[in-house]
Amino acid sequence: NAGVTQTPKFRILKIGQSMTLQCTQDMNHNYMYWYRQDPGMGLKLIYYSVGAGITDKGEVPNGYNVSRSTTEDFPLRLELAAPSQTSVYFCASRSQGAATPYGYTFGSGTRLTVV
Amino acid sequence: AQTVTQSQPEMSVQEAETVTLSCTYDTSESDYYLFWYKQPPSRQMILVIRQEAYKQQNATENRFSVNFQKAAKSFSLKISDSQLGDAAMYFCAYVGGGSEKLVFGKGTKLTVNP
Repeated sequence: NAGVTQTPKFRILKIGQSMTLQCTQDMNHNYMYWYRQDPGMGLKLIYYSVGAGITDKGEVPNGYNVSRSTTEDFPLRLELAAPSQTSVYFCASRSQGAATPYGYTFGSGTRLTVV
Repeated sequence: AQTVTQSQPEMSVQEAETVTLSCTYDTSESDYYLFWYKQPPSRQMILVIRQEAYKQQNATENRFSVNFQKAAKSFSLKISDSQLGDAAMYFCAYVGGGSEKLVFGKGTKLTVNP
């Protein structure tokens, strides 16, 4: 199993540009998440989805959009990139299994720099 | 809102010794889960240990164990027989039962000296 796959791993954007961070999981997990990690900080939740067609805001949603058209994919869209969005972005997923409650699987992250 | 506090930005330990990382949290919920994650320089988030709040017994995973004090809202991680590969950032995290909002502390950087 590949687990949670994020692309790209690194990206440099100019202020005002847009891009989409891709996230795919092959574990048939219903729940998927996007986090950002700023230097010296823990992860903060941007958006999450509890299933295809359902998304909801997390702690820091401003400047981002998401969609969930399939169980496998959960892309994160940045519109009009700003320097404040320079961060490492993590995608995660989890199953609903009672045997391993809140068993999160994280991707390896995307380092984004906005200049 | 729930908060997670890690009061030790950095810790160091000698190889083969024991170290304890501190974590406190604030919640009014009775059903929740607590986690310790390890983040090596590769950036990968690796689950070290998980504790369900309804379980009184402290979780253990090989050399890793926790001291879960529910009344004090404290959740410390003890690493025994420290190894060079344990060097990493360690994050304490909380999620309320039925919530999807995993809340992280700011992390503790652990250095293991040979």
